[in-house]
Amino acid sequence: QKEVEQNSGPLSVPEGAIASLNCTYSDRGSQSFFWYRQYSGKSPELIMFIYSNGDKEDGRFTAQLNKASQYVSLLIRDSQPSDSATYLCAVREGYGQNFVFGPGTRLSVLP
Amino acid sequence: ETGVTQTPRHLVMGMTNKKSLKCEQHLGHNAMYWYKQSAKKPLELMFVYNFKEQTENNSVPSRFSPECPNSSHLFLHLHTLQPEDSALYLCASSQDTRTTPIHEQYFGPGTRLTVT
Repeated sequence: QKEVEQNSGPLSVPEGAIASLNCTYSDRGSQSFFWYRQYSGKSPELIMFIYSNGDKEDGRFTAQLNKASQYVSLLIRDSQPSDSATYLCAVREGYGQNFVFGPGTRLSVLP
Repeated sequence: ETGVTQTPRHLVMGMTNKKSLKCEQHLGHNAMYWYKQSAKKPLELMFVYNFKEQTENNSVPSRFSPECPNSSHLFLHLHTLQPEDSALYLCASSQDTRTTPIHEQYFGPGTRLTVT
């Protein structure tokens, strides 16, 4: 059974701080990794994807991937109250069709 | 319409009813997915279709029956459901995932289903 784990939170950070969200996965054959944001009562919204080891930056968001450690993270710089949501990590194995989602980390950015 | 749309947005049905959920994507994708999201549980992949062919069925009970008449439309037919089937049902689409691992999924707004 392929598993994706995340800290359930809630993770609370003050406005303007850096929020760090972590995800680990069990399947070494996983090739691509996704971060989604889900506001309460809404559907998941894609933030970033990453498939190579290292960092990938997009605005205030940075995804970090370490395949050897089977670890992927999302950093949110200059956190805003509007970033308060549940963040879902998703992992896909190679060319397979199966996207496995983690349980999500609830982030609360305090004004 | 843009993106991925789903209807209805809310549905209440009895255990003996038959109903259908509809999904339509306007992104030119050719893979479509059904997910179930229950409270306090991770998103669960139910079915995957590529170019109208079902390629994944993750041990979903037969009371859920998918249909994909073309690459833009996906249905989930429901019959004799149980109260534990109450959840948010999400449709997603992506490009063909069989040629590259990169393609990301885009989700519809979901159908909130309550089985009484």
